[in-house]
Parts: sequence; structure tokens; C-alpha cells
Amino acid sequence: GENVEQHPSTLSVQEGDSAVIKCTYSDSASNYFPWYKQELGKRPQLIIDIRSNVGEKKDQRIAVTLNKTAKHFSLHITETQPEDSAVYFCAASKGGNTGKLIFGQGTTLQVKP
Amino acid sequence: DAGITQSPRYKITETGRQVTLMCHQTWSHSYMFWYRQDLGHGLRLIYYSAAADITDKGEVPDGYVVSRSKTENFPLTLESATRSQTSVYFCASSRQGDTGELFFGEGSRLTVL
Repeated sequence: GENVEQHPSTLSVQEGDSAVIKCTYSDSASNYFPWYKQELGKRPQLIIDIRSNVGEKKDQRIAVTLNKTAKHFSLHITETQPEDSAVYFCAASKGGNTGKLIFGQGTTLQVKP
Repeated sequence: DAGITQSPRYKITETGRQVTLMCHQTWSHSYMFWYRQDLGHGLRLIYYSAAADITDKGEVPDGYVVSRSKTENFPLTLESATRSQTSVYFCASSRQGDTGELFFGEGSRLTVL
């Protein structure tokens, strides 16, 4: 079955710096890759997603890149702010409405003021 | 608009007892999911459902039972709770299954003594 590995498990940056979180997936048939943000004590919420027919997607300060050949995708946050501090999860699925969205282990991002 | 709600939010039980976690959504989403969140493991899929009366196993289904007699409800039952089932459980729903945004409930924190 699908397996998603996420690194690093923790990341600390200074406010204003960039942060990069990387994920690898095992199933080459995967074609949908969302990223979720979970603030402390809150529920996970979708922040950005990318499909396999696209190599990069941006939304203001966040961007996601996908390398299908290497089976990895990354989240990039620029000009980090204290409110970016949270746990970030990547995920992957094969689509086909199977319902199996598999998450990575999560990255705890701390942005120091 | 209540969205998606879980109950109870907190539960303490003893080993061997049966526990049911409730999940209710008001959007008429076809897909519903149960995940457990444990430190170091991220979000792991327990069961999912594509529609009423259709359920399927996720990554970690052992020790859990689900049912979906109505579109809006997706209860999760631990038939004989074990300490390893101490976790935070998240229910989620989606219109598009594994290729669309998941909307998570607030979570249910379960402690098995």
C-alpha cells in the first residue's frame, strides 16, 4: 500500500526566513498531494494541494513542488511569520475515489520572533 | 451551519470496555473518514466510507468497527478497548473522497487505562 515519509520531524526558523518540508511517496500511481496545517489544539486544515499533472503551485507565501520521477513533493513557506508555527502534514492518494488518503508523520514548525 | 461534530470530545475508559465515538456532518458529504493521531505517526487512516452502507479498511483497522446506516453519521466503535488505542481520533468528511478537501472534526481524545 501507499507509504508517505515526511522530513524533518521538527523545524525551527527565524521569522522572515524560509521553511521547506519534504515528503516522499511509494506508490507511483498516486496523483493527488495535499498539505494540511494543524495549529496547537486545533483540527487539521487544508492549506494547499497539487495534482500530478502540475509541477508547482503557489498561493501567496506558500508553494508546493512535485517531482513525479523521484516520487517526492515539498512545501515551501517564504517570509515565515509566528502564526505559521504549527504541525504540517503532507498526504498522498491514488484518486479513483477509493478514500485512501495517506498522511505523512508530520513536521512541527516553530517560527521564532 | 454545524459542519462536522464529534462526541464525546474527551473520554476515559478502562481496558476491555466498549467505546463508541460519534461523528455527525451536516453537509451531506458522501465520504467520511476516521483517523487516529499519535505522536510520531501523524494521522493514520482507520476506516473510511464512500457512501451509506459502504465502508472499507484503512491502514490500522484492527480493533475497530464502523457502520454507516445514514449519510450524516459515521460512528467508530472500539469493541474491547486496549491501552494502545489511547489516542486522539479525528473524523473527517469530503465531497470528493481522497482527491478533495477533507473537513475534520474537532477530535476526540480517548484515554484507555
